[in-house]
Amino acid sequence: AQSVTQLDSHVSVSEGTPVLLRCNYSSSYSPSLFWYVQHPNKGLQLLLKYTSAATLVKGINGFEAEFKKSETSFHLTKPSAHMSDAAEYFCVVSFILTGGGNKLTFGTGTQLKVEL
Amino acid sequence: KAGVTQTPRYLIKTRGQQVTLSCSPISGHRSVSWYQQTPGQGLQFLFEYFSETQRNKGNFPGRFSGRQFSNSRSEMNVSTLELGDSALYLCASSLAGQGFYEQYFGPGTRLTVT
Repeated sequence: AQSVTQLDSHVSVSEGTPVLLRCNYSSSYSPSLFWYVQHPNKGLQLLLKYTSAATLVKGINGFEAEFKKSETSFHLTKPSAHMSDAAEYFCVVSFILTGGGNKLTFGTGTQLKVEL
Repeated sequence: KAGVTQTPRYLIKTRGQQVTLSCSPISGHRSVSWYQQTPGQGLQFLFEYFSETQRNKGNFPGRFSGRQFSNSRSEMNVSTLELGDSALYLCASSLAGQGFYEQYFGPGTRLTVT
């Protein structure tokens, strides 16, 4: 079975400092992993994806994530936080269903707060 | 390209009523998936439609149903509404096909059941 665990429900950083949002996954085969962001009262926006190519994945707005198979981790980082980064972040694992489609399994989310 | 659109954005219904939500995917996308988001259960997969057929289904009761039209637009219906159906319903579209592909989400429909 596929699952993701987001290790922190809330993370607070100061503007200009690094961001680290942690995610561990469980998958019976090589997974496809995503990070999505959700701003208040908005839908989900794709930040980045890993699909078995390069292990260091660069996304939008300066975010990146590194796939580490040995640690079953896919942590999200950003060198310098901006106020506009305050939002909820979801780590997502995708697996192929027998019907041929994909199903996304979401982590419980990490609320990022950015303070002045 | 226009993104995924969902209508209506907000809806208030009474217990026992039924409701229909609509989703228009990104042009060219053939797959539409529906998710329910609640504070208690998080984001859960409802079902996926591809080429007007339900291809996959999550663990929701039969009161939740959907359909897809030939232009890939999709509707989701919930009958005999319960208080616990209050949630943000998100629709996502993708190119589909084989293998892994990213899904693009709409802004959601906020359903409140009173």
